[in-house]
Amino acid sequence: QKEVEQNSGPLSVPEGAIASLNCTYSDRGSQSFFWYRQYSGKSPELIMFIYSNGDKEDGRFTAQLNKASQYVSLLIRDSQPSDSATYLCADSQNSGGSNYKLTFGKGTLLTVNP
Amino acid sequence: DVKVTQSSRYLVKRTGEKVFLECVQDMDHENMFWYRQDPGLGLRLIYFSYDVKMKEKGDIPEGYSVSREKKERFSLILESASTNQTSMYLCASSLDRQGLDINQPQHFGDGTRLSIL
Repeated sequence: QKEVEQNSGPLSVPEGAIASLNCTYSDRGSQSFFWYRQYSGKSPELIMFIYSNGDKEDGRFTAQLNKASQYVSLLIRDSQPSDSATYLCADSQNSGGSNYKLTFGKGTLLTVNP
Repeated sequence: DVKVTQSSRYLVKRTGEKVFLECVQDMDHENMFWYRQDPGLGLRLIYFSYDVKMKEKGDIPEGYSVSREKKERFSLILESASTNQTSMYLCASSLDRQGLDINQPQHFGDGTRLSIL
């Protein structure tokens, strides 16, 4: 079973700081990576996805991918209390033929303190 | 916006019952997925489907089956519910790769919290 690993946290940062969330994956064949945010009692919602080495920015969020190191991260700039949630990292693995499925990490709990 | 609708937010059933969880998406997505989510275990894939009448086992298919008779609807069936199937169940859908070299993100429904007594 190919795995996606995340530090479970909790990660606690002050309001306005940069939150850095990290993820490693074991499948060298993984091509696409996804970050989801999940508020307590709610379903996961997509924040960003990345498939090329380097950085991808969207507003306050930056995803970083390093395929050589099998490492993907999510930076949240100017963190707000409303960013407090569990962040799930997922990679896309081949499940046979041209079919793919996502494998999720267990998530990192982020708390942003006012 | 993608809309994935699960038929119930909360459901209580008894041990041994046959339980149906329904999921409908309105974006003509080819792919549909069923997960369960438990504290400390994360999201685990039960079954998925890439086309009508097609199904593939995920990581934990035991005790479950699925049905996909129409493209927009994907049903999860607990053949004989047991207490260890008490969980949050999440349905998701996505487009296929459409010849691109990237995989499309999955969009989730609101979840069904199922309790088996």
